[in-house]
Amino acid sequence: KQEVTQIPAALSVPEGENLVLNCSFTDSAIYNLQWFRQDPGKGLTSLLLIQSSQREQTSGRLNASLDKSSGRSTLYIAASQPGDSATYLCAVTVIIGAQKLVFGQGTRLTINP
Amino acid sequence: DGGITQSPKYLFRKEGQNVTLSCEQNLNHDAMYWYRQDPGQGLRLIYYSQIVNDFQKGDIAEGYSVSREKKESFPLTVTSAQKNPTAFYLCASSPEDYGETQYFGPGTRLLVL
Repeated sequence: KQEVTQIPAALSVPEGENLVLNCSFTDSAIYNLQWFRQDPGKGLTSLLLIQSSQREQTSGRLNASLDKSSGRSTLYIAASQPGDSATYLCAVTVIIGAQKLVFGQGTRLTINP
Repeated sequence: DGGITQSPKYLFRKEGQNVTLSCEQNLNHDAMYWYRQDPGQGLRLIYYSQIVNDFQKGDIAEGYSVSREKKESFPLTVTSAQKNPTAFYLCASSPEDYGETQYFGPGTRLLVL
């Protein structure tokens, strides 16, 4: 059974710092991996999607990497800003007829001004 | 604007009562999903549907029911058999292409009186 783990559960850093969020998964048979952002009481917004054949994806100050063989992904945020404060969720896609997302518990990120 | 709408934003359930959460999308997506989110946890799949008049159980379907009579709509009923219904419920949809992400609605928070 696929399991996804995110460490740390919470992280607080000063504004301007670069930071890394970690995600690990137990089964390398994934279709892709996604990072989502969730603001309090809101839905999820997709940040980056890495196909299983890719190693990384970049969008602005965000860079996500994927190492399928070791079951790991990282989300790198450069020059953090208070507006980056949110919960970040990692999810792997497995195919069961339809695509099924298996989520980690999330990392709650706080950027202090 | 294209997107996914969920209503109501907050819902209160009395003991022994069935309640229905609405999910509508105008993205012309074939697949739709219902997730449950508990505090500090990731999302867990309740039900999903790939096509009208067809749906499948997810990981935690007990105490829930769904219907898919129209492509745009995928309502979720929380029945009295669900003994711990307090949670944040998220609806999502995706195109048939497995390489695409899922798009999420804003969520419904269900509370028990």
